[in-house]
Amino acid sequence: GENVEQHPSTLSVQEGDSAVIKCTYSDSASNYFPWYKQELGKGPQLIIDIRSNVGEKKDQRIAVTLNKTAKHFSLHITETQPEDSAVYFCAASIPQGGSGGYNKLIFGAGTRLAVHP
Amino acid sequence: DGGITQSPKYLFRKEGQNVTLSCEQNLNHDAMYWYRQDPGQGLRLIYYSQIVNDFQKGDIAEGYSVSREKKESFPLTVTSAQKNPTAFYLCASSTLWRYEQYFGPGTRLTVT
Repeated sequence: GENVEQHPSTLSVQEGDSAVIKCTYSDSASNYFPWYKQELGKGPQLIIDIRSNVGEKKDQRIAVTLNKTAKHFSLHITETQPEDSAVYFCAASIPQGGSGGYNKLIFGAGTRLAVHP
Repeated sequence: DGGITQSPKYLFRKEGQNVTLSCEQNLNHDAMYWYRQDPGQGLRLIYYSQIVNDFQKGDIAEGYSVSREKKESFPLTVTSAQKNPTAFYLCASSTLWRYEQYFGPGTRLTVT
């Protein structure tokens, strides 16, 4: 069935260290993998995404890697700062067909990242 | 100022009452979505709509209803048939044929 597993559920790092969050998806048809950051009491914010024809994508201190064979993708945050503290969600798209080309997103359960000064 | 607005931020209702959550977007997006978020869980899709006057059930549609009379608006009604309505509700939108979904700030509903 449609499933995205995300690990770890909580992650605590010192400021300046790196943080890595990993996700595994089940549907081989998935071709889009976004990462969202959610601060307390707010809606999720799209921070980076990757498509299945790319193995890695970087944007300043964040990067995402994708291994389609293993159905794994990961978020890497370098030089972490206290403002990186939030809950991070991964997601994988599932094509639904139809005239609109709708792609359903299946979300992982989230990782609560705490960056300590 | 472009974006998605949800109102109210906090909503309190008594059991047995229907309640409607508002979602408006001025991004000119065709598709809109409603998700439910519970503590320690990912987002679960309630309903989605790709065009005006059309919408589809998501994974947990029971006890909910929606309408899409205008492109900009996609209100969600939580009915008394929803067994556990207390949750954080998130609205999102996207263009058709693109994957990126953008979220509103959410409405926290508490039913006692």
